[in-house]
Amino acid sequence: EDQVTQSPEALRLQEGESSSLNCSYTVSGLRGLFWYRQDPGKGPEFLFTLYSAGEEKEKERLKATLTKKESFLHITAPKPEDSATYLCAVQAGGSQGNLIFGKGTKLSVKP
Amino acid sequence: DAGVTQSPTHLIKTRGQHVTLRCSPISGHKSVSWYQQVLGQGPQFIFQYYEKEERGRGNFPDRFSARQFPNYSSELNVNALLLGDSALYLCASSSRQGTSVYNEQFFGPGTRLTVL
Repeated sequence: EDQVTQSPEALRLQEGESSSLNCSYTVSGLRGLFWYRQDPGKGPEFLFTLYSAGEEKEKERLKATLTKKESFLHITAPKPEDSATYLCAVQAGGSQGNLIFGKGTKLSVKP
Repeated sequence: DAGVTQSPTHLIKTRGQHVTLRCSPISGHKSVSWYQQVLGQGPQFIFQYYEKEERGRGNFPDRFSARQFPNYSSELNVNALLLGDSALYLCASSSRQGTSVYNEQFFGPGTRLTVL
């Protein structure tokens, strides 16, 4: 069964304290791995798509990497405005095109 | 450019009632997907439509139905509402058919449905 597991469930950081969020997946034929940011009560905001192992993408303080089993979202020198829930999703090769989401990591950055 | 829009923003219904949620995709996008997000969980796939045809269905009961119109906007209908249907309903649009590679999906703000 296709599955996505995110860890940790919650992460508290001080401003400027770099860290990483993990997304491990079990999927039959990965067609794409997606990272989203979600603020409370809002829809997910698209961040990155990764398609093959070894691929990396960066946006401001965020960097996403992909291996054959997992993806990492690295946050460098985070600021309070980076506080949000970060969702990881995969599209499986045999799927109808739907995304399979993890439960997310709730990130809190304190000033 | 306008992103994905959804209406209404919030909705309160009672058990047994029917609800219709609406979504307008990004201009030029022909694919619309619907997801349900319960508090504390990731979104779960309900339906996908491409070029006005249903292309995928998640594990939801027949009380849930949807359709896509010629202008690519979409409606999600839920009949005989249950307390457990309370959730954030998200619409996502994509420029490609669901089974395509490079199928990035962009989400709207969601409709918060509360069933009393």
